[in-house]
Amino acid sequence: AQSVTQLGSHVSVSEGALVLLRCNYSSSVPPYLFWYVQYPNQGLQLLLKYTTGATLVKGINGFEAEFKKSETSFHLTKPSAHMSDAAEYFCAVSTGGGADGLTFGKGTHLIIQP
Amino acid sequence: SAVISQKPSRDICQRGTSLTIQCQVDSQVTMMFWYRQQPGQSLTLIATANQGSEATYESGFVIDKFPISRPNLTFSTLTVSNMSPEDSSIYLCSVRGTADQPQHFGDGTRLSIL
Repeated sequence: AQSVTQLGSHVSVSEGALVLLRCNYSSSVPPYLFWYVQYPNQGLQLLLKYTTGATLVKGINGFEAEFKKSETSFHLTKPSAHMSDAAEYFCAVSTGGGADGLTFGKGTHLIIQP
Repeated sequence: SAVISQKPSRDICQRGTSLTIQCQVDSQVTMMFWYRQQPGQSLTLIATANQGSEATYESGFVIDKFPISRPNLTFSTLTVSNMSPEDSSIYLCSVRGTADQPQHFGDGTRLSIL
């Protein structure tokens, strides 16, 4: 079975500052990893994914994440925060099996200070 | 990515009644899933909707409470039966192609039970 831990239920950064949202996973097989964003009263939007290949993956809206197998981590970063980045961010893992659903972390609420 | 439509978008229901939620996709997809997001919480997988056969339920979810249908590759329904206030949640449909592709989510159905 797999699991996801997101450190920090709330993260606050100033506009223009670096955004770092932490995600650690546990999986008995090589994982597929995802970051999703949820804006208020909306569904989930995919930010980026890692399946195989390059460990640094780039996503939408300037976000990127790096898969580090030795640290079992998949932290999300963005060099410069915008007010529009304020939202709930979820890290998720699957084992890549044919019928696999996603296991989600508890989410991190990102607050952008003006 | 596929366009996913969920109906209804929200509803307020009486205790003891049942509600059927529809998920329609604009193209054929291999996998369809149903998730629950309780207030202020993360997403939990309810079941995988299998085309032409019984759904595969996760631990803690049973068919009598959450019957699911998937008559074809573009449509699925989730019924929340004999509702109680504890069933007040957002219910989300997601779809996916092959195992290395990400899941895409509908906007969800916001359900409140009085």
